[in-house]
Amino acid sequence: QVQLQESGPGLVKPSQTLSLTCTVSGGSISSGSYYWSWIRQPAGKGLEWIGRIYTSGSTNYNASLKSRVTISIDTSKNQFSLKLSSVTAADTAVYYCASVSRDGYNKFDYWGQGTLVTVSS
Amino acid sequence: DIQMTQSPSSLSASVGDRVTITCRASQSISTYLNWYQQKPGKAPKLLIYAASSLQSGVPSRFSGSGSGTDFTLTISSLQPEDFATYYCQQSYSTPRTFGQGTKLEIK
Repeated sequence: QVQLQESGPGLVKPSQTLSLTCTVSGGSISSGSYYWSWIRQPAGKGLEWIGRIYTSGSTNYNASLKSRVTISIDTSKNQFSLKLSSVTAADTAVYYCASVSRDGYNKFDYWGQGTLVTVSS
Repeated sequence: DIQMTQSPSSLSASVGDRVTITCRASQSISTYLNWYQQKPGKAPKLLIYAASSLQSGVPSRFSGSGSGTDFTLTISSLQPEDFATYYCQQSYSTPRTFGQGTKLEIK
């Protein structure tokens, strides 16, 4: 079973870049069975899809964040990463990484535990 | 973007009750609809995918139905561990979008 774990700074200053890494265990990130996503959730609010990356490096982003988001993958480390630039307080949220089975159903099968990122000076 | 609307936003029920949560998509999404359960401080957990398929390991008291724009999640007999927030999510197109959530509370 795939397991995911987010890591990165819990506090980011306004206008700076948020950087998070998701480490995948229990399988190879490049196996082709999954692609990989980031999702966030502000406190007390709903879930927002940020974007996804395939093993090939191909990405898709939510247009609401597209100009500020970069998702990348490092198959040698079994990791994928999120960078969100020019952050504001509105970017304060729990950030989750998740796997998506390449079985045609596009479901978020497995999730990391989530990491809280606070944007504050 | 496809908008997902859940109802009700909150629901009070008792152990043993049968509960139904509805989700409506702003356009047809065939059966590309998934349901998740989230408990406080935890990541969402996949319950149902493709509108009606039960994820492995999920109790059979959970079921889903629907297609097109209207979907339901039913819990046949509520257990204490089922009190949580439930989200629907469309996987028909990007950006993937979620409903606003339904908080299921103990009566």
